[in-house]
Amino acid sequence: DAGITQSPRHKVTETGTPVTLRCHQTENHRYMYWYRQDPGHGLRLIHYSYGVKDTDKGEVSDGYSVSRSKTEDFLLTLESATSSQTSVYFCAISDQVSNTGELFFGEGSRLTVL
Amino acid sequence: AQTVTQSQPEMSVQEAETVTLSCTYDTSENNYYLFWYKQPPSRQMILVIRQEAYKQQNATENRFSVNFQKAAKSFSLKISDSQLGDTAMYFCAFIIIQGAQKLVFGQGTRLTINP
Repeated sequence: DAGITQSPRHKVTETGTPVTLRCHQTENHRYMYWYRQDPGHGLRLIHYSYGVKDTDKGEVSDGYSVSRSKTEDFLLTLESATSSQTSVYFCAISDQVSNTGELFFGEGSRLTVL
Repeated sequence: AQTVTQSQPEMSVQEAETVTLSCTYDTSENNYYLFWYKQPPSRQMILVIRQEAYKQQNATENRFSVNFQKAAKSFSLKISDSQLGDTAMYFCAFIIIQGAQKLVFGQGTRLTINP
Protein backbone atom coordinates (compact mmCIF):
# COMPACT_ATOMS: atom_id res chain seq x y z
CA ASP A 1 0.00 0.00 0.00
CA ALA A 2 1.09 3.53 -0.78
CA GLY A 3 2.28 5.39 2.32
CA ILE A 4 -0.39 8.03 2.76
CA THR A 5 -1.57 9.24 6.14
CA GLN A 6 -4.41 11.66 6.74
CA SER A 7 -5.00 13.46 10.01
CA PRO A 8 -7.25 13.86 11.78
CA ARG A 9 -9.42 10.94 10.68
CA HIS A 10 -12.49 12.38 12.35
CA LYS A 11 -13.27 15.93 13.42
CA VAL A 12 -16.34 17.73 14.67
CA THR A 13 -16.20 21.51 14.70
CA GLU A 14 -18.48 24.52 14.81
CA THR A 15 -19.43 26.92 12.06
CA GLY A 16 -16.94 29.74 11.67
CA THR A 17 -13.92 27.95 13.13
CA PRO A 18 -10.76 27.26 11.10
CA VAL A 19 -9.89 23.66 10.29
CA THR A 20 -6.74 22.16 8.81
CA LEU A 21 -6.48 18.65 7.43
CA ARG A 22 -3.07 17.16 6.85
CA CYS A 23 -1.94 14.67 4.23
CA HIS A 24 1.47 13.06 4.64
CA GLN A 25 3.13 10.76 2.10
CA THR A 26 6.27 8.67 2.24
CA GLU A 27 6.38 7.84 -1.51
CA ASN A 28 8.08 11.04 -2.76
CA HIS A 29 5.34 11.42 -5.39
CA ARG A 30 5.15 14.74 -7.16
CA TYR A 31 1.37 15.11 -7.39
CA MET A 32 -0.95 15.41 -4.40
CA TYR A 33 -4.69 16.00 -4.40
CA TRP A 34 -7.56 16.83 -2.08
CA TYR A 35 -11.01 15.51 -2.94
CA ARG A 36 -14.30 15.68 -1.10
CA GLN A 37 -16.89 12.91 -1.23
CA ASP A 38 -20.60 13.62 -0.92
CA PRO A 39 -23.60 11.38 -1.65
CA GLY A 40 -24.74 11.69 -5.24
CA HIS A 41 -21.60 13.55 -6.31
CA GLY A 42 -18.85 10.99 -6.15
CA LEU A 43 -15.46 12.52 -5.45
CA ARG A 44 -14.83 16.09 -6.50
CA LEU A 45 -11.44 17.75 -6.74
CA ILE A 46 -10.82 20.67 -4.37
CA HIS A 47 -7.15 21.51 -4.99
CA TYR A 48 -4.09 19.74 -6.23
CA SER A 49 -0.33 20.25 -6.13
CA TYR A 50 2.24 19.43 -8.80
CA GLY A 51 5.28 20.26 -6.69
CA VAL A 52 6.49 22.13 -3.63
CA LYS A 53 4.70 25.49 -3.50
CA ASP A 54 2.95 24.69 -6.81
CA THR A 55 -0.79 24.33 -6.39
CA ASP A 56 -3.92 24.87 -8.45
CA LYS A 57 -7.68 24.88 -8.01
CA GLY A 58 -10.06 22.05 -8.70
CA GLU A 59 -13.79 22.22 -9.42
CA VAL A 60 -14.95 22.95 -5.83
CA SER A 61 -12.19 25.18 -4.44
CA ASP A 62 -14.31 27.99 -2.94
CA GLY A 63 -13.83 28.21 0.83
CA TYR A 64 -10.65 26.12 0.80
CA SER A 65 -6.95 26.89 0.63
CA VAL A 66 -3.93 24.60 0.45
CA SER A 67 -0.23 24.70 1.10
CA ARG A 68 2.69 22.47 0.25
CA SER A 69 5.97 23.55 1.79
CA LYS A 70 7.51 20.06 1.63
CA THR A 71 7.16 17.22 -0.87
CA GLU A 72 5.64 14.94 1.75
CA ASP A 73 2.96 17.24 3.21
CA PHE A 74 -0.15 18.77 1.66
CA LEU A 75 -2.41 20.79 3.94
CA LEU A 76 -6.05 21.65 3.32
CA THR A 77 -7.43 24.61 5.28
CA LEU A 78 -10.99 25.73 5.78
CA GLU A 79 -10.54 29.31 6.95
CA SER A 80 -14.07 29.55 8.33
CA ALA A 81 -15.91 26.25 8.26
CA THR A 82 -19.54 26.11 7.09
CA SER A 83 -22.11 23.32 7.35
CA SER A 84 -21.87 22.79 3.57
CA GLN A 85 -18.29 21.66 4.11
CA THR A 86 -19.42 18.68 6.15
CA SER A 87 -18.00 15.85 4.08
CA VAL A 88 -15.44 13.09 3.82
CA TYR A 89 -12.13 14.38 2.55
CA PHE A 90 -9.65 12.22 0.68
CA CYS A 91 -6.05 12.90 -0.06
CA ALA A 92 -4.46 11.18 -3.05
CA ILE A 93 -1.01 10.98 -4.60
CA SER A 94 0.23 10.19 -8.09
CA ASP A 95 3.52 9.01 -9.54
CA GLN A 96 3.64 10.74 -12.89
CA VAL A 97 7.04 9.21 -13.60
CA SER A 98 5.52 5.78 -14.12
CA ASN A 99 2.60 7.45 -15.89
CA THR A 100 0.10 4.73 -15.12
CA GLY A 101 -2.47 7.41 -14.34
CA GLU A 102 -3.35 5.70 -11.09
CA LEU A 103 -3.98 7.72 -7.97
CA PHE A 104 -3.39 6.22 -4.53
CA PHE A 105 -5.77 7.33 -1.82
CA GLY A 106 -5.56 7.91 1.89
CA GLU A 107 -8.20 6.51 4.22
CA GLY A 108 -10.28 9.67 4.34
CA SER A 109 -11.09 12.26 6.99
CA ARG A 110 -14.67 12.74 8.10
CA LEU A 111 -15.41 16.37 8.96
CA THR A 112 -18.65 17.45 10.59
CA VAL A 113 -19.42 21.17 10.86
CA LEU A 114 -22.23 21.93 13.31
CA ALA B 1 -15.27 20.12 -19.36
CA GLN B 2 -14.60 16.51 -18.58
CA THR B 3 -17.54 14.63 -17.11
CA VAL B 4 -18.36 11.09 -16.05
CA THR B 5 -21.90 9.77 -15.67
CA GLN B 6 -23.01 6.65 -13.84
CA SER B 7 -26.73 6.26 -14.44
CA GLN B 8 -27.37 3.50 -11.89
CA PRO B 9 -27.32 4.85 -8.32
CA GLU B 10 -27.99 1.40 -6.85
CA MET B 11 -27.93 -2.21 -8.00
CA SER B 12 -28.58 -5.48 -6.26
CA VAL B 13 -27.91 -9.06 -7.42
CA GLN B 14 -27.69 -12.54 -5.94
CA GLU B 15 -24.38 -14.12 -5.12
CA ALA B 16 -22.76 -15.92 -8.10
CA GLU B 17 -24.69 -13.85 -10.65
CA THR B 18 -23.09 -11.59 -13.22
CA VAL B 19 -23.66 -7.84 -12.97
CA THR B 20 -22.76 -4.96 -15.28
CA LEU B 21 -22.25 -1.39 -14.10
CA SER B 22 -22.61 1.37 -16.68
CA CYS B 23 -20.44 4.43 -17.20
CA THR B 24 -20.27 7.09 -19.88
CA TYR B 25 -17.83 9.95 -20.08
CA ASP B 26 -17.23 13.06 -22.11
CA THR B 27 -13.91 14.47 -23.23
CA SER B 28 -12.42 15.98 -26.36
CA GLU B 29 -9.01 14.49 -25.55
CA ASN B 30 -7.63 11.36 -27.19
CA ASN B 31 -5.09 10.16 -24.65
CA TYR B 32 -6.53 9.15 -21.32
CA TYR B 33 -6.95 6.29 -18.89
CA LEU B 34 -10.19 4.93 -17.51
CA PHE B 35 -10.61 3.31 -14.11
CA TRP B 36 -13.07 1.56 -11.90
CA TYR B 37 -12.52 2.08 -8.19
CA LYS B 38 -14.24 0.12 -5.44
CA GLN B 39 -15.09 1.65 -2.06
CA PRO B 40 -16.20 -0.90 0.56
CA PRO B 41 -17.73 0.18 3.89
CA SER B 42 -14.19 0.69 5.22
CA ARG B 43 -14.11 3.77 2.98
CA GLN B 44 -10.81 2.74 1.38
CA MET B 45 -10.55 3.49 -2.36
CA ILE B 46 -9.36 0.37 -4.17
CA LEU B 47 -8.41 0.22 -7.84
CA VAL B 48 -10.35 -2.57 -9.55
CA ILE B 49 -9.33 -2.23 -13.18
CA ARG B 50 -7.62 0.17 -15.56
CA GLN B 51 -7.93 0.73 -19.32
CA GLU B 52 -5.70 2.76 -21.61
CA ALA B 53 -7.75 4.61 -24.22
CA TYR B 54 -5.29 3.78 -27.00
CA LYS B 55 -5.76 0.04 -26.45
CA GLN B 56 -8.66 -1.60 -28.26
CA GLN B 57 -8.49 -4.77 -26.20
CA ASN B 58 -10.73 -4.73 -23.16
CA ALA B 59 -8.97 -5.03 -19.80
CA THR B 60 -9.66 -7.99 -17.54
CA GLU B 61 -8.67 -8.73 -13.95
CA ASN B 62 -9.86 -12.14 -12.79
CA ARG B 63 -13.67 -11.85 -12.37
CA PHE B 64 -13.68 -8.20 -13.45
CA SER B 65 -13.74 -7.10 -17.09
CA VAL B 66 -14.67 -3.97 -18.98
CA ASN B 67 -16.47 -3.20 -22.21
CA PHE B 68 -14.69 -0.16 -23.59
CA GLN B 69 -16.41 1.56 -26.51
CA LYS B 70 -14.26 4.58 -27.34
CA ALA B 71 -16.45 6.04 -30.07
CA ALA B 72 -19.49 5.84 -27.82
CA LYS B 73 -17.46 7.02 -24.79
CA SER B 74 -18.75 4.11 -22.79
CA PHE B 75 -16.85 2.10 -20.17
CA SER B 76 -18.91 -0.56 -18.39
CA LEU B 77 -17.69 -2.95 -15.70
CA LYS B 78 -18.75 -6.59 -15.64
CA ILE B 79 -18.40 -8.63 -12.47
CA SER B 80 -18.71 -12.36 -13.01
CA ASP B 81 -19.53 -14.91 -10.31
CA SER B 82 -20.26 -12.09 -7.86
CA GLN B 83 -19.24 -12.57 -4.24
CA LEU B 84 -20.46 -11.06 -0.98
CA GLY B 85 -17.17 -9.18 -0.72
CA ASP B 86 -18.00 -7.32 -3.93
CA THR B 87 -20.61 -5.32 -2.02
CA ALA B 88 -19.37 -1.72 -2.24
CA MET B 89 -19.67 1.62 -3.96
CA TYR B 90 -18.13 1.55 -7.42
CA PHE B 91 -16.78 4.66 -9.08
CA CYS B 92 -15.93 5.12 -12.72
CA ALA B 93 -13.19 7.68 -13.38
CA PHE B 94 -10.86 8.92 -16.07
CA ILE B 95 -7.69 10.94 -16.27
CA ILE B 96 -6.11 12.91 -19.11
CA ILE B 97 -2.48 11.86 -19.64
CA GLN B 98 -1.00 15.26 -20.54
CA GLY B 99 -0.44 17.98 -17.99
CA ALA B 100 -1.77 17.80 -14.47
CA GLN B 101 -3.26 14.38 -13.98
CA LYS B 102 -6.63 15.15 -12.43
CA LEU B 103 -8.91 12.19 -11.90
CA VAL B 104 -12.57 12.92 -12.71
CA PHE B 105 -15.16 10.70 -11.00
CA GLY B 106 -18.70 9.63 -11.68
CA GLN B 107 -21.37 9.78 -9.00
CA GLY B 108 -20.97 6.14 -8.03
CA THR B 109 -23.10 2.99 -8.06
CA ARG B 110 -23.90 1.24 -4.80
CA LEU B 111 -23.73 -2.50 -5.48
CA THR B 112 -25.19 -5.02 -3.05
CA ILE B 113 -24.54 -8.74 -3.41
CA ASN B 114 -27.21 -10.76 -1.62
CA PRO B 115 -26.60 -14.27 -0.22
